[in-house]
Amino acid sequence: QTVVTQEPSLTVSPGGTVTLTCASSTGAVTSGYYPNWFQQKPGQAPTSLIYSTSNKYSWTPARFSGSLLGGKGALTLSDVQPEDEADYYCLLFYGGVQPWVFGGGTKLTVL
Amino acid sequence: EVQLVESGGGLVQPGGSLKVSCAASGFTFSGFAIHWVRQASGKGLEWVGRIRSKANAYATAYGASVKGRFTISRDDSKNMAYLQMNSLKTEDTAIYYCASYDILTGYSLWGQGTLVTVSS
Repeated sequence: QTVVTQEPSLTVSPGGTVTLTCASSTGAVTSGYYPNWFQQKPGQAPTSLIYSTSNKYSWTPARFSGSLLGGKGALTLSDVQPEDEADYYCLLFYGGVQPWVFGGGTKLTVL
Repeated sequence: EVQLVESGGGLVQPGGSLKVSCAASGFTFSGFAIHWVRQASGKGLEWVGRIRSKANAYATAYGASVKGRFTISRDDSKNMAYLQMNSLKTEDTAIYYCASYDILTGYSLWGQGTLVTVSS
């Protein structure tokens, strides 16, 4: 069974920079996995941040960026703000019988 | 207003069935795939399944934990998508979200979710 792995938790200081990663049990993550990133705050539905590795939505703050880094999908937050404290999930495309698989999520604390 | 609205959640006994709906408005619903995602209390997001557009033959796919028990359908004339859940288990208890997806625009819209509770 395919497993997508994210850091369970990360802590960053306000104004700092942090990178969240998304690894696949099948090997290196490439653009063909169409990495997606979502933010979720307590009691709210997920919000889409990044699609197809690095594409932003109209509502995605400029301080969020997506990339591939060291064989993993990556979400980088620059100049982190207190309101960025949330859970972040990646989603990878595998095609086949079960096309999409979520990572376990990263709880980002801004402290 | 551009939105997706889920409905139909509720309490159902183990082994029972439930059908939840996703109503779309404000955009060209027929051109998008609809994905279903669920989240158990205190847990992460789980991809449940998706139905593609008519241009992609309404192809469906499901996550391993629901395959054979859940069925996704859509009615483009009503701008509606559905998730039929059969043989429900207590571990299916979760908030169920629908989301619209297109490879060129990503997951552009999410609903607010509907709670399904499987309990005796």
